[in-house]
Amino acid sequence: AQTVTQSQPEMSVQEAETVTLSCTYDTSESDYYLFWYKQPPSRQMILVIRQEAYKQQNATENRFSVNFQKAAKSFSLKISDSQLGDAAMYFCAYRRYRDDKIIFGKGTRLHILP
Amino acid sequence: DARVTQTPRDKVTEMGQEVTMRCQPILGHNTVFWYRQTMMQGLELLAYFRNRAPLDDSGMPKDRFSAEMPDATLATLKIQPSEPRDSAVYFCASGFEWEAFFGQGTRLTVV
Repeated sequence: AQTVTQSQPEMSVQEAETVTLSCTYDTSESDYYLFWYKQPPSRQMILVIRQEAYKQQNATENRFSVNFQKAAKSFSLKISDSQLGDAAMYFCAYRRYRDDKIIFGKGTRLHILP
Repeated sequence: DARVTQTPRDKVTEMGQEVTMRCQPILGHNTVFWYRQTMMQGLELLAYFRNRAPLDDSGMPKDRFSAEMPDATLATLKIQPSEPRDSAVYFCASGFEWEAFFGQGTRLTVV
């Protein structure tokens, strides 16, 4: 069975600094999707970034980028120039293929220090 | 602006009562998911549908929970009878291909 592990329950970063959130996963599949979702206090789940396993290039979305290490089954999220609005719960997620169920990690709560 | 709509947003009920949560998926999406979020367990998949057919409800307590999609515009999650341990935020999400969009969730409190 596929699993997603986020080993950092909480992290803090100074505003304008860079922070990296860790995620590892377990799967026997060779092709799959990985995601990072953000959940602010409003509790809305917001997709931050996605990565297709067949792509070697790391995905980037403005200040958000990932470090995808397929052999190590590692998928970390880097947030550059942290802003107060980045404070939220961040979930790493795995999806075996299109239209399949999504499996989430337990989440990392990110605090931004002014 | 297409979005997944869940009702009610908050629900407080007494133990033993029936609870029904509703979800209107985004038009054209072929998958619908129900997740439960708690502090202890995080986001747990309860059930999911593809083209209205149930594909996986292994995460759902069968004796009290049921999930249905009577039509393409409505998904329901029922709990009967409800128990205090069911207190959680319940999310519905709908998707097409790799995308999945979440509703605002229903915060259920069973007293």
